Amino acid sequence: QQQVKQSPQSLIVQKGGISIINCAYENTAFDYFPWYQQFPGKGPALLIAIRPDVSEKKEGRFTISFNKSAKQFSLHIMDSQPGDSATYFCAASGSFGNEKLTFGTGTRLTIIP
Amino acid sequence: EAQVTQNPRYLITVTGKKLTVTCSQNMNHEYMSWYRQDPGLGLRQIYYSMNVEVTDKGDVPEGYKVSRKEKRNFPLILESPSPNQTSLYFCASSWTSGRETQYFGPGTRLLVL
Repeated sequence: QQQVKQSPQSLIVQKGGISIINCAYENTAFDYFPWYQQFPGKGPALLIAIRPDVSEKKEGRFTISFNKSAKQFSLHIMDSQPGDSATYFCAASGSFGNEKLTFGTGTRLTIIP
Repeated sequence: EAQVTQNPRYLITVTGKKLTVTCSQNMNHEYMSWYRQDPGLGLRQIYYSMNVEVTDKGDVPEGYKVSRKEKRNFPLILESPSPNQTSLYFCASSWTSGRETQYFGPGTRLLVL
């Protein structure tokens, strides 16, 4: 199975709150899990990525939590700001095939004042 | 400035009229790929190229062609566009594979009437 399932489809969070986006995968051969951020009118850009040898990776206000046994990973945005309003894509890849990235369906995040 | 460029950014065409969307990167990347982004479906890979003269199908290749005659360029060709190819298209590049940071272009919005 190559799918990556992402939820929710859209999310509204108050400024200063925590935004949480979840992803699940089936293929246990996946070993690279990035998150991409996309602003309107722009291409996606890498936000943060994790490999399964760690359960958490933090970069500033952004944290990836990874649960290998459950085959799930999530993005947490602490102290969410209006500038974080964007579409977020999770993705997964493994050392098989063309090592391509399989993307989730995206989450449109809106931070309200 | 390191970047991926795409042209045109917007295109309206009619069914059956051949078109080409150009993609160029100035980072000397070996791996390039094309994605289409549709609401609720995320980013899906159309074609990819691991190096000059090496191309292969992604998840949704039907109706598309590509070529990689030079390392920096990776054009996407729609020989007979149909309305179901109306979408937002992104070119991306990385050093050697999909398991690395993908650098995306700004996107090409295509409408096929």
